[in-house]
Amino acid sequence: DSGVTQTPKHLITATGQRVTLRCSPRSGDLSVYWYQQSLDQGLQFLIQYYNGEERAKGNILERFSAQQFPDLHSELNLSSLELGDSALYFCASSVGKGAETQYFGPGTRLLVL
Amino acid sequence: QQQVKQSPQSLIVQKGGISIINCAYENTAFDYFPWYQQFPGKGPALLIAIRPDVSEKKEGRFTISFNKSAKQFSLHIMDSQPGDSATYFCAASARSNYQLIWGAGTKLIIKP
Repeated sequence: DSGVTQTPKHLITATGQRVTLRCSPRSGDLSVYWYQQSLDQGLQFLIQYYNGEERAKGNILERFSAQQFPDLHSELNLSSLELGDSALYFCASSVGKGAETQYFGPGTRLLVL
Repeated sequence: QQQVKQSPQSLIVQKGGISIINCAYENTAFDYFPWYQQFPGKGPALLIAIRPDVSEKKEGRFTISFNKSAKQFSLHIMDSQPGDSATYFCAASARSNYQLIWGAGTKLIIKP
């Protein structure tokens, strides 16, 4: 158990819909990262927040947005969902700004029908 | 220049054999090189990491070899076991921006 929690574990929705994925980092960790992993694919870095501020942006679509709240939990919002958005979405956390161990949550499996 | 190229994409090794996964990078500012292990349905977890002040780091059956001049680093798994079957990701980052750059992953299967 990494100490990072993600909800929900599974999510089934329809094209065009909007969903929110939630992540609670390990106690004391200030950074939260979001990743997308499609079937048998690598990890695609989406975005990083550090202590409430956006710190780095990866291959995040304009339909996707995220935020980190004062209690350091983070939410990833996915809108106008397409079939191709079906994937595992991981949240990770770390103590500092990066270049140290990232602790990954169990992931949210999103299926868009 | 920000890429980390990982090979092979997949690897099958007999139980007891040595598994070797390679990564190459271009950015000479990279100074932190971790390897993550991911089992099916789980999130990746840090396996072992190295900084460029040493050429090798060993933890149990897992060893990172680092070649600074060639800008390459590799993961060696000695006496590979079926329980090592997983996807392995290399990564690299630089102090300038701390962002981890990930390799594409290697799916390792250890045959009993």
